[in-house]
Amino acid sequence: EVQLVESGGGLVKPGGSLRLSCAASGYSFSKAWMTWVRQAPGKGLEWVGRIRSQTEGATTDYTAPVKGRFTISRDDSRNTLYLQMNSLKTEDTAIYYCTRYLDYWGQGTLVIVSS
Amino acid sequence: EIVLTQTPLSLSVTPGQPASISCKSSQSLLHSDGKTYLYWYLQKPGQPPQLLIYEVSSRFSGVPDRFSGSESGTDFTLKISRVEAEDVGVYYCMQSIQPFTFGPGTKVDIK
Repeated sequence: EVQLVESGGGLVKPGGSLRLSCAASGYSFSKAWMTWVRQAPGKGLEWVGRIRSQTEGATTDYTAPVKGRFTISRDDSRNTLYLQMNSLKTEDTAIYYCTRYLDYWGQGTLVIVSS
Repeated sequence: EIVLTQTPLSLSVTPGQPASISCKSSQSLLHSDGKTYLYWYLQKPGQPPQLLIYEVSSRFSGVPDRFSGSESGTDFTLKISRVEAEDVGVYYCMQSIQPFTFGPGTKVDIK
């Protein structure tokens, strides 16, 4: 059974940093492309970015609002996906979901950016 | 950036009746590999989204066959042949041509 469990969310001040983790199990993590999607409170879904598999260079793509501030990485030895978020803004407040490339989703972790 | 427009934005359906949601893309979603990367998700209240349909018309594992997807050019449709109470929630279409984008969502409830 595919399982994705996010962690690391919390309250952070504007300009601060946070690193989210996503622990994956139940499938071959190293072969999978992974994505992060977020959802602001009461709003729709917004794709954050993706990372390809290591064999494809673990290259990344991001949505424009987070480019240069967020970094997606992976540790295949730990079956874990990361989202490093720097220079956080109030508009980054959202539930952050990791997905196994758009099919299976975790339950999400809430990030609140507020002073 | 590709814009996805969904209609209607809300829908109230009698159980057992059909329902249809439209998703119009501002550009072709046909990839160079010949596939069209249009997905449909359902987000039930308090839950993460769940994949229903991928590549326009392929049902994901475990999805009931009352759900179907189709396309006509840049117009995509999700149909529910007979709505059940468990189908309530918000339906999103999504495309995965860089950068990925979601439609605004269609809220479905039961009459």
